[in-house]
Amino acid sequence: EDKVVQSPLSLVVHEGDTVTLNCSYEVTNFRSLLWYKQEKKAPTFLFMLTSSGIEKKSGRLSSILDKKELFSILNITATQTGDSAVYLCAVDPGFQKLVFGTGTRLLVSP
Amino acid sequence: KAGVTQTPRYLIKTRGQQVTLSCSPISGHRSVSWYQQTPGQGLQFLFEYFSETQRNKGNFPGRFSGRQFSNSRSEMNVSTLELGDSALYLCASSFGSANEKLFFGSGTQLSVL
Repeated sequence: EDKVVQSPLSLVVHEGDTVTLNCSYEVTNFRSLLWYKQEKKAPTFLFMLTSSGIEKKSGRLSSILDKKELFSILNITATQTGDSAVYLCAVDPGFQKLVFGTGTRLLVSP
Repeated sequence: KAGVTQTPRYLIKTRGQQVTLSCSPISGHRSVSWYQQTPGQGLQFLFEYFSETQRNKGNFPGRFSGRQFSNSRSEMNVSTLELGDSALYLCASSFGSANEKLFFGSGTQLSVL
């Protein structure tokens, strides 16, 4: 059975800290790995990774994939209170059927 | 352009009733998929429709069904509601090809009493 595991489950940091969120996966057919941010209801897209070793960056956020070891990390530098959210990792094994982890709840305190 | 629109935003039903949820995808998107989100299980895939055909289905009982119309709008139906069906139901749309990100709606929060 396809599985995605995220760690830690929750995290509290101070504004300005750097955080690393982890995502490991086991799927029978890998097409891509996606990161989403969920603040209230609608998850919003952050990154899609398909190849190992290529870091994706968007401002203070970055992510990298290791297809050999079957994991990905999401880094957030200089955290702000607006980064407080649930971060979801998902793997796409095909046909828009994403397999999600349970998420990491991040709280950034001022 | 407008995002994915789900209606209604909130629903309260009692056990045994049935419910229909609606999803309008982003203009031009032909794929609509549905997910159930609960605190314990996270997001779980229900089914995906592309050009009015169900292409993929998750591991949910037959009480959960869906359909897609020619304008790509989709509906999801749950019959004989159970307490455990209380969840946030999220709809996502895309063009329907491989390695494509999904755009999510704000969901319908269903409470079954």
